[in-house]
Amino acid sequence: NAGVTQTPKFQVLKTGQSMTLQCAQDMNHEYMSWYRQDPGMGLRLIHYSVGAGITDQGEVPNGYNVSRSTTEDFPLRLLSAAPSQTSVYFCASSYGEYNSPLHFGNGTRLTVT
Amino acid sequence: GQNIDQPTEMTATEGAIVQINCTYQTSGFNGLFWYQQHAGEAPTFLSYNVLDGLEEKGRFSSFLSRSKGYSYLLLKELQMKDSASYLCVSRDSSYKLIFGSGTRLLVRP
Repeated sequence: NAGVTQTPKFQVLKTGQSMTLQCAQDMNHEYMSWYRQDPGMGLRLIHYSVGAGITDQGEVPNGYNVSRSTTEDFPLRLLSAAPSQTSVYFCASSYGEYNSPLHFGNGTRLTVT
Repeated sequence: GQNIDQPTEMTATEGAIVQINCTYQTSGFNGLFWYQQHAGEAPTFLSYNVLDGLEEKGRFSSFLSRSKGYSYLLLKELQMKDSASYLCVSRDSSYKLIFGSGTRLLVRP
């Protein structure tokens, strides 16, 4: 029972590089989302998906792309990394009902130099 | 607007009781969650309230007052492992989640 699996755990990028953060869940959750967590701030929503083939922007989508080709996978792409994207990224999923809690992956600590 | 306020840090003694307060301003309020996050780890779900009153779950309880825009998380019989950040999260009518910055709780022997 893996839950939400995120890779990699750590990543260092140079400004301008691109990369994909992987997220997979095995709980058959319809709802998946990506958050970033910065010191002194609450988690901020980047992108989310309510089902395969459907994605939408969250609070801070600029510089990121997502796709949802299957129920299980929800990768996050950084198109051209910037130092402002240095953060801890969490993928989360839930059943989507109003009282369903989010299940979080273990996070990716990204540093952009 | 949408806003969550909770204290930045609290300190308590092992075996004691601590109450972490949270006030929220959420249009179309539709529920409130509490999560626990240990340093360097992912948040984990603790409780959910949508109606006024107290929800008890072992050593942890959560209270909600919708009319006052107020919630608290009560931790009893504190243990060292309870040292963590506690996130207050409200949900609005479009199911958007608004996260507080978290309260860092330090439990001392």
